[in-house]
Amino acid sequence: QKEVEQDPGPLSVPEGAIVSLNCTYSNSAFQYFMWYRQYSRKGPELLMYTYSSGNKEDGRFTAQVDKSSKYISLFIRDSQPSDSATYLCAITENYGGSQGNLIFGKGTKLSVKP
Amino acid sequence: DTEVTQTPKHLVMGMTNKKSLKCEQHMGHRAMYWYKQKAKKPPELMFVYSYEKLSINESVPSRFSPECPNSSLLNLHLHALQPEDSALYLCASSQDHWRGEGDTQYFGPGTRLTVL
Repeated sequence: QKEVEQDPGPLSVPEGAIVSLNCTYSNSAFQYFMWYRQYSRKGPELLMYTYSSGNKEDGRFTAQVDKSSKYISLFIRDSQPSDSATYLCAITENYGGSQGNLIFGKGTKLSVKP
Repeated sequence: DTEVTQTPKHLVMGMTNKKSLKCEQHMGHRAMYWYKQKAKKPPELMFVYSYEKLSINESVPSRFSPECPNSSLLNLHLHALQPEDSALYLCASSQDHWRGEGDTQYFGPGTRLTVL
């Protein structure tokens, strides 16, 4: 069983739609959760990070963590064509020899159509 | 400023060449990372430097040789690479390594490497 599962998509939505991106994880010891956005042929750009259950909002983006269900989500409101990218969830290991390492999901490719 | 810079942006090399990738950050971060990313895959960790010392080597072949000359710079020396090593090579940095919230990693734009 992979430690972080993410539906690779692709996901196609019309401009203005609300987008929901999700990841599940297997280890309840994971503590820090991040979302990265990666445009084609570019490096990942940090969008959001959080370490507690609940919601964190930044503009059109909301990150949600449910530690009891081991489920993390990223919501994008009023999606724009410029949001078209691959979205990677990432979780930091905080135990053992791999402390501090990022575990990435496979990434979800999002396309927002004008 | 959360910028990590990488040079060159693109690199084409033959299997007998020796080349180097460079990474720089001026955020005062004490941890720096090299990742390899193949198309449609997430980044794979190669090396971690913490306080200028190599702390993690993820069983990377010796044809990849990292170097951390100082706390702001990270190099990746390449020698006798194979065509399957063609990928996007990403550098990242974080305030610290395995200190919780300080682990947030910021990535550079990457070097797209093609081995002929």
